[in-house]
Amino acid sequence: AQSVTQPDIHITVSEGASLELRCNYSYGATPYLFWYVQSPGQGLQLLLKYFSGDTLVQGIKGFEAEFKRSQSSFNLRKPSVHWSDAAEYFCAVGARYNTDKLIFGTGTRLQVFP
Amino acid sequence: ETGVTQTPRHLVMGMTNKKSLKCEQHLGHNAMYWYKQSAKKPLELMFVYNFKEQTENNSVPSRFSPECPNSSHLFLHLHTLQPEDSALYLCASRPTSGGDHEQFFGPGTRLTVL
Repeated sequence: AQSVTQPDIHITVSEGASLELRCNYSYGATPYLFWYVQSPGQGLQLLLKYFSGDTLVQGIKGFEAEFKRSQSSFNLRKPSVHWSDAAEYFCAVGARYNTDKLIFGTGTRLQVFP
Repeated sequence: ETGVTQTPRHLVMGMTNKKSLKCEQHLGHNAMYWYKQSAKKPLELMFVYNFKEQTENNSVPSRFSPECPNSSHLFLHLHTLQPEDSALYLCASRPTSGGDHEQFFGPGTRLTVL
């Protein structure tokens, strides 16, 4: 069955520190992969996506993610976190033949200390 | 501004009330979605519409009734809800051509059922 696991429910970092949010997926073929961010009281905003090609993808707000097929992972990284990055982050996987059905992880809440 | 708007942003209703949630997208997309977001659970896909036709009903109880009069508007009619239906209801849309597969989300309606 398709699934997405975000093992870290809550992460706290200091402003300026580096960040890595983990995402592991279970899928029978190469999926489409997404990272979304949700600020309090807001909907989800797409940070970046992987469809094919270069396995290191760049997104908005200085985020990047690397698709590692051998590890079934799509971890999100940022070299230097800003206080405004505090939010909830969701990893999602979609089928190449049907991107209507995205499978989301349970999210990782990021807290940033000054 | 994501281009997907939802009204109302907050709704409190009793179990015997009838209310409707509205979603409107100004992006020219032809696929629209309703999701339910509950605390500590992954986003749950409820309904999918493609070109105004319902293409997915993810075993949603009949007390939730969607309506898609055109490709820009999506409604979720609510009646005789239960307290466990309290959640954030998110609308999303997606283009169905051009190779883009990401879904664009609205800010959500926070629903409380008393």
